Amino acid sequence: EAGVAQSPRYKIIEKRQSVAFWCNPISGHATLYWYQQILGQGPKLLIQFQNNGVVDDSQLPKDRFSAERLKGVDSTLKIQPAKLEDSAVYLCASSLEGGAEAFFGQGTRLTVV
Amino acid sequence: GESVGLHLPTLSVQEGDNSIINCAYSNSASDYFIWYKQESGKGPQFIIDIRSNMDKRQGQRVTVLLNKTVKHLSLQIAATQPGDSAVYFCAEMYSSASKIIFGSGTRLSIRP
Repeated sequence: EAGVAQSPRYKIIEKRQSVAFWCNPISGHATLYWYQQILGQGPKLLIQFQNNGVVDDSQLPKDRFSAERLKGVDSTLKIQPAKLEDSAVYLCASSLEGGAEAFFGQGTRLTVV
Repeated sequence: GESVGLHLPTLSVQEGDNSIINCAYSNSASDYFIWYKQESGKGPQFIIDIRSNMDKRQGQRVTVLLNKTVKHLSLQIAATQPGDSAVYFCAEMYSSASKIIFGSGTRLSIRP
């Protein structure tokens, strides 16, 4: 079974630039999460989708972050414009609807300089 | 904000000994408590979960204990191996929304 795919693995951008991350969840998983993990901290939930609808985006900085999940499958997370404090690993995860076991991708390490 | 937290940021254990990683939580409304393992450069990996109406659950070499009276969760790893070296996170989930919230993590290192 293929796991959660994320791209790119690494990205370096200058502050005020824009960046996008892509996630392909495990086939059949209705729930998709985006987390931000700053070095030395636990993952922080940014947004959660159930199929193509947003369940929770209370921690998403909506003035600069946006996310979509077209057709309830792949998802993209965008940051525009980026700030230095956005430097982190962005993790995508998916799970069966209502499941406690979320499967994570390897993440995208973003460095904003 | 976060309602799960870990007592110690690091734990060093002799290879072959048992490891115990502790976690405190504050939100009694959680339906599940979950342990994840994260190795360097990888995403978190599910280890085991426990429903909020249970006290104990066992897996392969791991046991999770839940004490609702003192809002405490622990992960016990039997016969710790070098491959167990990682950061361990406790997390909680609300079934109504499948929302998974992570705590801050404990780094487990194994002494040979």
